[in-house]
Amino acid sequence: EVQLVESGGGLVQPGGSLRLSCAASGFTFSNFDMYWIRQGKGRSLEWVSSIATAGDPYYPGSMKGRFTISRDNANNSLYLQMNSLRAGDTAVYYCARGGNGLDYWGQGTLVTVSS
Amino acid sequence: SYELTQPPSVSVSPGQTARITCSGDALPKQYAFWYQQKPGQAPVMLIYKDSERPSGIPERFSGSSSGTTVTLTISGVQAEDEADYYCQSADNSGSWVFGGGTKLTVL
Repeated sequence: EVQLVESGGGLVQPGGSLRLSCAASGFTFSNFDMYWIRQGKGRSLEWVSSIATAGDPYYPGSMKGRFTISRDNANNSLYLQMNSLRAGDTAVYYCARGGNGLDYWGQGTLVTVSS
Repeated sequence: SYELTQPPSVSVSPGQTARITCSGDALPKQYAFWYQQKPGQAPVMLIYKDSERPSGIPERFSGSSSGTTVTLTISGVQAEDEADYYCQSADNSGSWVFGGGTKLTVL
């Protein structure tokens, strides 16, 4: 059974940093692109970052420079380093597998940026 | 920036057919995907590559594409289908984009 379990969310002050993790199991992690998607309360979904099997990272323009995605294929783990956090980054952050589309999602981890 | 436009809400009676549209200029060249999200839960993929249905997704869910519009059709709507639905695609540079979401209400 495919499982994705996010961790690392929490309350952080504006300007602070957080590192999210996603533990994957039930599939050959190294064979799949992986994604971070976020959703603010009452809002739509937003692509945050993705990483190819070979490790190439991709970001929308709005995330470049503050967020860094990485993966550890040996430990079946995905990461998102988030720096210079702002109130607008408050959201549930989901880890998702990129099969044909985002075919499996974790349950998400809540990041709250507030003083 | 590129946008995918969905109606905010669609209402339908049980047993009827619901159609949710998603419009975007790049849709003739980029595949569309559809996700269902129920309150407090993670999204679930319903349709990939415009019209393909993953295993385990009921046959009443189907997708189609015509020009700059893709459509999710739910035939024989059931109460359990009440949820938010999101389309997703990419712009011509490959950046992923989600639609604003459509809340389906089953009357």
